[in-house]
Amino acid sequence: ELKVEQNPLFLSMQEGKNYTIYCNYSTTSDRLYWYRQDPGKSLESLFVLLSNGAVKQEGRLMASLDTKARLSTLHITAAVHDLSATYFCAVGGGSNYKLTFGKGTLLTVNP
Amino acid sequence: EAGVVQSPRYKIIEKKQPVAFWCNPISGHNTLYWYLQNLGQGPELLIRYENEEAVDDSQLPKDRFSAERLKGVDSTLKIQPAELGDSAVYLCASSLVATGEQYFGPGTRLTVT
Repeated sequence: ELKVEQNPLFLSMQEGKNYTIYCNYSTTSDRLYWYRQDPGKSLESLFVLLSNGAVKQEGRLMASLDTKARLSTLHITAAVHDLSATYFCAVGGGSNYKLTFGKGTLLTVNP
Repeated sequence: EAGVVQSPRYKIIEKKQPVAFWCNPISGHNTLYWYLQNLGQGPELLIRYENEEAVDDSQLPKDRFSAERLKGVDSTLKIQPAELGDSAVYLCASSLVATGEQYFGPGTRLTVT
């Protein structure tokens, strides 16, 4: 059974600082997604990572995937308050449609 | 392009009452998913449809939950009777193909009292 672990689960940052959220998964996968969820809202897709070494960047967020280590990272650069949200990674494998989500990381960016 | 539409957005019912949630996926998306999201957790799959066929309902508590996707477009998820532990957010998602990116609706927040 595929297990997905995110850490930290809670992250309080100062504006302007950098930090990284980690997503480890237990079995081979070739699809990894990062989603953002604002309170009371649905999940918004941020990144889709499909191959080893994939790196994608959008604004202050950068995601990478290491399939050998079964690890993805979401790096936050110079955080701003608008990035406050819960971030989920979700993993799926090959022909398996099913996505398994981590528990999410609640990010709070303080002025 | 319109996203995944769900209704109602909020529902409060007493335990033992029935409740139903409706989902309209993105046009052209053949695959539809219902997820359950408990507070502080990631979504967990309840059921997946390919067109009108439920191809995976292994996580659906069939004693009280049912779902249908008539004509392979809209879908309804029903709970009867509801229990206190059913309080959660019910998310609908759709994708063009089964292994494709999933797009989520806004969810229905259910409170059972």
